Amino acid sequence: DAGITQSPRYKITETGRQVTLMCHQTWSHSYMFWYRQDLGHGLRLIYYSAAADITDKGEVPDGYVVSRSKTENFPLTLESATRSQTSVYFCASSEDEVNEQFFGPGTRLTVL
Amino acid sequence: GQNIDQPTEMTATEGAIVQINCTYQTSGFNGLFWYQQHAGEAPTFLSYNVLDGLEEKGRFSSFLSRSKGYSYLLLKELQMKDSASYLCAVEDSNYQLIWGAGTKLIIKP
Repeated sequence: DAGITQSPRYKITETGRQVTLMCHQTWSHSYMFWYRQDLGHGLRLIYYSAAADITDKGEVPDGYVVSRSKTENFPLTLESATRSQTSVYFCASSEDEVNEQFFGPGTRLTVL
Repeated sequence: GQNIDQPTEMTATEGAIVQINCTYQTSGFNGLFWYQQHAGEAPTFLSYNVLDGLEEKGRFSSFLSRSKGYSYLLLKELQMKDSASYLCAVEDSNYQLIWGAGTKLIIKP
C-alpha cells in the first residue's frame, strides 16, 4: 500500500539495549523526519533528512542515530536506550521543506 | 528562545463554533501549519498560512497575523468527530517546524 509506515508499532525494551525503529515511505518524498511526542510537549524534531545520504540534527538528537541509504527508508536507532527515551516516535515525510508533512502511525516505545 | 503557546484544553458543544488560538515567538517565520491529531493516531494536515488573513476550507478556517505573532483555527458546525488535539506549528527561518504542545478539544453533545 502507498503511504508511510512504521515498525514496530509497539516496543518494550530495557535500559542499555539498542533499538531500531523503521520508517518506510512509498511517495519518493525527498524529506523525511523523526519526531518524538511526549505529554505536555509539542512534537520535537530528532533528526531529518533532505535526501538519501543527507541527514541533519534536529532539536533533540542526543542518544539517537539515523541513516538514509535509500530514499524510501529512514531508520532511527537508539544506541543505548534510557528511560527518558520512553515516548511515541513519529516518522514523517514531505516533498520538500515547505510542504505539508505526512506522518506515519507512530511507534510507542517503553524503556524499562 | 522559540515559543509556541496554545491553550491546553477547550470544551465546546456539538453544532457550535470554536476558536483555537496560537501565539508564537520564533527565530524567523516562513509559514504556519495547523494539524489535527485524534487520540492514539498520527497528526494530519489541516491548513497552511503564509500571508496575513483568513483561509477558509469547508468547516475549518485559519487566520494569521504575522505582525502580532498570532493565528487561530476556527471550527464551525462542530461534530463529535472533531474531538481531537489541534497542533499549531511554525516554520522558522531554517524551514524547521516548531510545534506547540497542542490544544485538546472536547465536544459535548
